[in-house]
Amino acid sequence: AQSVTQPDIHITVSEGASLELRCNYSYGATPYLFWYVQSPGQGLQLLLKYFSGDTLVQGIKGFEAEFKRSQSSFNLRKPSVHWSDAAEYFCAVGALEYGNKLVFGAGTILRVKS
Amino acid sequence: DGGITQSPKYLFRKEGQNVTLSCEQNLNHDAMYWYRQDPGQGLRLIYYSQIVNDFQKGDIAEGYSVSREKKESFPLTVTSAQKNPTAFYLCASSASGAFTGELFFGEGSRLTVL
Repeated sequence: AQSVTQPDIHITVSEGASLELRCNYSYGATPYLFWYVQSPGQGLQLLLKYFSGDTLVQGIKGFEAEFKRSQSSFNLRKPSVHWSDAAEYFCAVGALEYGNKLVFGAGTILRVKS
Repeated sequence: DGGITQSPKYLFRKEGQNVTLSCEQNLNHDAMYWYRQDPGQGLRLIYYSQIVNDFQKGDIAEGYSVSREKKESFPLTVTSAQKNPTAFYLCASSASGAFTGELFFGEGSRLTVL
């Protein structure tokens, strides 16, 4: 079965500092990988996704993620964090053979200090 | 504006009562989903529907029921059989055809059992 691990429950970074959120997945075939962001009390918004091709993918709001098959990882990065990036971030995995549905990680709460 | 509307935003229920959460979309999407969100557990799939008059159980369907009589509507009933219903519930939809992984989320409904 698919599973997604986000090892960091909370991360605090200073505004302007770089950010990396970790995501590891367990899946036998080639997964589809996603990062979503959730502001408090709101729904989720897609940041970026990886299906195939270039392993470094660009998303909205200046985020990027890199797929590393050898490490089963899909870490999210941003070179310079803004206070408005404070939110909860979810990594998710899907695959065609599992139908049109995603498995989500437990989430990482990002706090930004000024 | 196209989107997903969930209602009510907040709901209080006494033990032993059934409650129904509404989810309506005007995106013309075929697929709709219900997720449950608990702190530190990410999103867990309750039910999903790929087409009208058809739906499948997700990972935590016990104590819940759904219907899909119209393309734009996918209500979720939390029954008295659900032992721990207090949670944040998210409805989502996705376009038909090739799986893109982009789920469009509503703003959620927070259910509290008194």
